Formats: sequence, C-alpha cells, structure tokens
Amino acid sequence: DAGVIQSPRHEVTEMGQEVTLRCKPISGHDYLFWYRQTMMRGLELLIYFNNNVPIDDSGMPEDRFSAKMPNASFSTLKIQPSEPRDSAVYFCASSFSRYEQYFGPGTRLTVT
Amino acid sequence: GQQLNQSPQSMFIQEGEDVSMNCTSSSIFNTWLWYKQDPGEGPVLLIALYKAGELTSNGRLTAQFGITRKDSFLNISASIPSDVGIYFCAGRSSGGSNYKLTFGKGTLLTVNP
Repeated sequence: DAGVIQSPRHEVTEMGQEVTLRCKPISGHDYLFWYRQTMMRGLELLIYFNNNVPIDDSGMPEDRFSAKMPNASFSTLKIQPSEPRDSAVYFCASSFSRYEQYFGPGTRLTVT
Repeated sequence: GQQLNQSPQSMFIQEGEDVSMNCTSSSIFNTWLWYKQDPGEGPVLLIALYKAGELTSNGRLTAQFGITRKDSFLNISASIPSDVGIYFCAGRSSGGSNYKLTFGKGTLLTVNP
C-alpha cells in the first residue's frame, strides 16, 4: 500500500518567493495534518483537516501560511512570501478516524 | 500549552543491550503513541496505547501506558544497529473530537556494533 506522498522532497528558494508543498494522504484516510519540524521547536502541528475541512489552524505561524484541501486525495501548504526562518522540514500525516497518524517522508525547505 | 518531557535526550549503547526511555506529561493523556524517525525520513509509528496500564509489544519493542495516565515507557530489548534513530513519544490529552497530538523532543539512540 502506498503511504503518504509528499512533494517536493527538497525545496530551495529565495526569500520573498512563494513556496507550495504538496501532500497526497493514504487512500481512505479522513484526517490530514501538516507539521513543521525544527531542531529548536521539534514537531509542531500547523493545521489539520477532517473530510477536507480545516478543523484547527491555530498552529499556523502567521498569515503568510495557508493550507487547502480541495479533495480527499490532495492538500497543499503555501508560504507567501517565504522568509529564512521558515526553513524547516514540513511533514504531512494522515489518519483514519483514530489517533494513529501516519507520516510522509517530508519536504526539506531552505529559504535563503 | 501541554508539554511532554521525554528522557533521556540521547543514549549510546552497545549492540545487544536493552534500552528504556520514557515520557511524562503535566496533564492526563488518553492516548500515547511511539514513533521512530530515521535521518531524512518521516516518523514511523511503532506502537499505539489507548488504555491506562496497557502493555503492548511489537517485536523487540514494548511500550506501556502509565497507570497515572501522565507517562509512558518504551523498552527495546537486545538492540541491533538498525535501531539507531530518534524515538518520539506523542500524546493526546482531550477526549471527543480533538485529534491533536503533542510530541516529545525525542530520544536519539546510537547503537555501537
């Protein structure tokens, strides 16, 4: 079975540019989560969706971050404009109506 | 916000030794999960615990949901080199529809062959 798929795996961009990260959850899962991981702060939940609807976005750092889930098999996390402090590994995870979240391989974002 | 204290931060052991790590919370948790993360990869779920006192095994790994519901333990028996990685605990503190997990800072495990 295919796990959570994320793209790109690596992204290097310049400050001020728009960045879009993509996620395909495990088929049949109804929850999707976006996390950010840094050495200083560890794993932080940014936002999560249930049946494509955003439920809690209290972890989104600021208005420069936005997330969408247009259908059950696709979600995006967008940063516009990007800043160097956004450099981190961004993970997408999905789950099926329980608490066991399955993570994708992550996108390593570097903003110069 | 909720915080999880995970210890130790790092461990250096010899192949074949047993390993123990734990997480404690300032509040009661209803679910405990243990993940392992390899370099350049996402966390992989190892064990999920849903009841206080629950003891669950997955191969050489055993995890327990503390009776107080404020802690959890992970033990690895007879460690091997591929056990190297960062181990994270994660907990869910509220009932109902809250699916948010709080993660510990991780335990970095190094196994010397």
